[in-house]
Amino acid sequence: QVQLVQSGAEVKKPGSSVKVSCKASGGTFSSYAISWVRQAPGQGLEWMGGIIPIFGTANYAQKFQGRVTITADESTSTAYMELSSLRSEDTAVYYCARNPLTMIVGTLGAFDIWGQGTMVTVSS
Amino acid sequence: DIVMTQSPDSLAVSLGERATINCKSSQSVLYSSNNKNYLAWYQQKPGQPPKLLIYWASTRESGVPDRFSGSGSGTDFTLTISSLQAEDVAVYYCQQYYSTSFTFGPGTKVDIK
Repeated sequence: QVQLVQSGAEVKKPGSSVKVSCKASGGTFSSYAISWVRQAPGQGLEWMGGIIPIFGTANYAQKFQGRVTITADESTSTAYMELSSLRSEDTAVYYCARNPLTMIVGTLGAFDIWGQGTMVTVSS
Repeated sequence: DIVMTQSPDSLAVSLGERATINCKSSQSVLYSSNNKNYLAWYQQKPGQPPKLLIYWASTRESGVPDRFSGSGSGTDFTLTISSLQAEDVAVYYCQQYYSTSFTFGPGTKVDIK
């Protein structure tokens, strides 16, 4: 059974960057996309962007364009999310989640496996 | 982006009673090529990541109890818990994956009355 294992909690200063990793344990990224979803304290789920590792192509939510970079290393089955110019409003739990490629080109499936979450706290 | 709305914001149901959550998308999430609705439901308990319950609007994920069911098509969808159990206390989110700029509903909190 594939698990997504994320890196540990981070505390960052405003204006700095954070890089969170997500490793597929017990499997690979083949035939899947990996997305990053964040959840501010007491709030809902917000999709930030995703990548299809076998193609290396990433797409981002407009809100985060220019501030987030999502990459993947197929050789280690690890995806990364780097968020720059951090501000207090970026304090949140960051999740990676897997969704399968579907038979219809250009479409993806639902998020069937999620990482455990990484708490990122932005504070001076 | 496709905007997802949910109603109600919260509900309290007696144990063993039915709970119904509605979800509406700002545009159809029915893909004509395969006649599938790109709509999923997730359950999130405190301190845990979301868990996939339903995909393609009505297909139950493996291991999900059959008291959970999804219905609807196009822009209007429903998640039904036929007989609420104590372990179903959680926040439920709908999500569209029709557009690869994925969006979630704001969530519905379900409690025991």
